[in-house]
Amino acid sequence: GESVGLHLPTLSVQEGDNSIINCAYSNSASDYFIWYKQESGKGPQFIIDIRSNMDKRQGQRVTVLLNKTVKHLSLQIAATQPGDSAVYFCAENYNNDMRFGAGTRLTVKP
Amino acid sequence: DAGITQSPRHKVTETGTPVTLRCHQTENHRYMYWYRQDPGHGLRLIHYSYGVKDTDKGEVSDGYSVSRSKTEDFLLTLESATSSQTSVYFCAILRGGLANTGELFFGEGSRLTVL
Repeated sequence: GESVGLHLPTLSVQEGDNSIINCAYSNSASDYFIWYKQESGKGPQFIIDIRSNMDKRQGQRVTVLLNKTVKHLSLQIAATQPGDSAVYFCAENYNNDMRFGAGTRLTVKP
Repeated sequence: DAGITQSPRHKVTETGTPVTLRCHQTENHRYMYWYRQDPGHGLRLIHYSYGVKDTDKGEVSDGYSVSRSKTEDFLLTLESATSSQTSVYFCAILRGGLANTGELFFGEGSRLTVL
């Protein structure tokens, strides 16, 4: 089974709203986490990462939250734009072994 | 970004034939990876390389072999393709940091169909 999963396979939001994409991971020893964005027909693109000694990290319009107590990771996208429509993956890493979730498809409605 | 290129981008082949996918990087990174992506699954690691002639198996290595004779090229070979190997294959390089940190930068993918 998947060591990393996503609560919702699809998410639809209105343009301008904030998006929250969730991810559960299973290995409490994982020490590094990454969010990727994948547009149709393209390879995954790095968005933001976070190490296990942090619980929050912010980028440009994106924030990743890590809750190690419940092994939960989330990606928040502020003021979602049509260009944000894509599949988003979380990944967890432990001891050089990186595992990816199946992905959540984000659709932004105009 | 042309730091990593995959070829071919699309291939249709028949069961039992050999197939080689090529990954070429221009950034001189030590670590290179081959993943496959299938509906309902996350990216799954096939093989990876941590240097010239240094490779190791990943999660789904059965039926695949790899070679890295020079830093810039990482080849994935299916000795005898099967329909279960129909997938999209992604090569990745590790930019910066140790093997368990740093950004995995992916190529555009190679779509393989085995009939």
